[in-house]
Order: sequence, then C-alpha cells, then structure tokens
Amino acid sequence: GAVVSQHPSRVICKSGTSVKIECRSLDFQATTMFWYRQFPKQSLMLMATSNEGSKATYEQGVEKDKFLINHASLTLSTLTVTSAHPEDSSFYICSARTTTSPGTDTQYFGPGTRLTVL
Amino acid sequence: DQQVKQNSPSLSVQEGRISILNCDYTNSMFDYFLWYKKYPAEGPTFLISISSIKDKNEDGRFTVFLNKSAKHLSLHIVPSQPGDSTVYFCAATYNQGGKLIFGQGTELSVKP
Repeated sequence: GAVVSQHPSRVICKSGTSVKIECRSLDFQATTMFWYRQFPKQSLMLMATSNEGSKATYEQGVEKDKFLINHASLTLSTLTVTSAHPEDSSFYICSARTTTSPGTDTQYFGPGTRLTVL
Repeated sequence: DQQVKQNSPSLSVQEGRISILNCDYTNSMFDYFLWYKKYPAEGPTFLISISSIKDKNEDGRFTVFLNKSAKHLSLHIVPSQPGDSTVYFCAATYNQGGKLIFGQGTELSVKP
C-alpha cells in the first residue's frame, strides 16, 4: 500500500515552455501533498504544501507564479513549471501524507521527475 | 539555517556488521522523525519513524533511537547487507504532519 506515482518520469523542454508534472496517490486518499526539488548531491528542499481544494502554501523563496500547484482531488496534485529556464532543471519529487493510525504520520514519495530545460 | 544535520556524508561497513547512521537536530519543536533511503533518480522510500514520546522503535533489521536531550537520533541496521548501499536521509516534522525538514543525507556502502 501507500503507492505514489509521478508522471512524466523524465522531461526535456525548451526554455520558455511550460511543463506539467502529475502526482497521484494510487491506493489512498491524500488531503495533503508536498512538492520537493533536489539538486545533485543535495538534500530535498520543500517547495510547497498542497491541500485538496485550497491554495498551496509556498516556502520562502519559491515563486508561486512560476510553480503553479493544483490539488483538485484527494488523489491528484499537479505542479506546472511555467516559462521554464535552464536554472529550473532539477529533480522534482512529490509526496502524499497519510495517517494510518493514531500517532503516525508518514509521507510517501513518488519516483520523481527529472526536468531538463535546454 | 540547517535544522536537521547529518554530519557524515558517507559511511562504509562490512557485510553482516552493524551500520549506524546519525542525525542531529536543533529545533526542539520537532516531534516526529523519519528515516528514508533513496536511490539515484528515484523518490525516497520510507523506512522507519519515531515519535518524540518514544526513545526506540524497531522494525526488522532497522532500529531508530531518539535522544531528545541531546537532540540526536540514529538509525541502526543490523545485519548490514550489500543491498542496503544507498543514501539515507533523516527527516523531522512537528505538529504531526507538517512539512518535512531533511538532513543532507549519508551515503552507506556495505562491502561484501
């Protein structure tokens, strides 16, 4: 159980285009999903928290107009990188939060999306 | 401000021996801690977690210890296997389900 999928796994695009990444919780409902990015040899950095039916909460320094997040259902959140530039090239990972029993609270991660902007 | 720190970027152990991965934190508000392993170009895989009301949690070969007074937690893997070789991240959160703050990761290498 607790499987999270991401699509696409890899995308290459030209500078100035927009890219949409989907994150789905396959076997559970997630009221909260999170979007992270990871640069090579670095840790995962939280970009934003996505709550179903409401606006996302962005971390300091993350441009909300550039990284559009939509959490339209309990199993799907999307991240759109608008007007992508080479510096946006990174590994983007989503996670979905589940509480399987009282006192537990775990995030399960998708496999990630490698974005390369030429 | 690095609130969660893994000071050892790498660790090498012999197969069958114990691997001990360490993690320190600075924010006393953290009340839930998790360990993930991560392979290149993949998302992190959840391993084990511990609530701040406990000092130990065990799951098979994996045991996490929490020392709140020292703001320190560790992951013990015993016996270590070559398949355990990858990067391990500790993470912390507070208010039960807030955002995860990750350490920098420790790359474990288990040699046959």
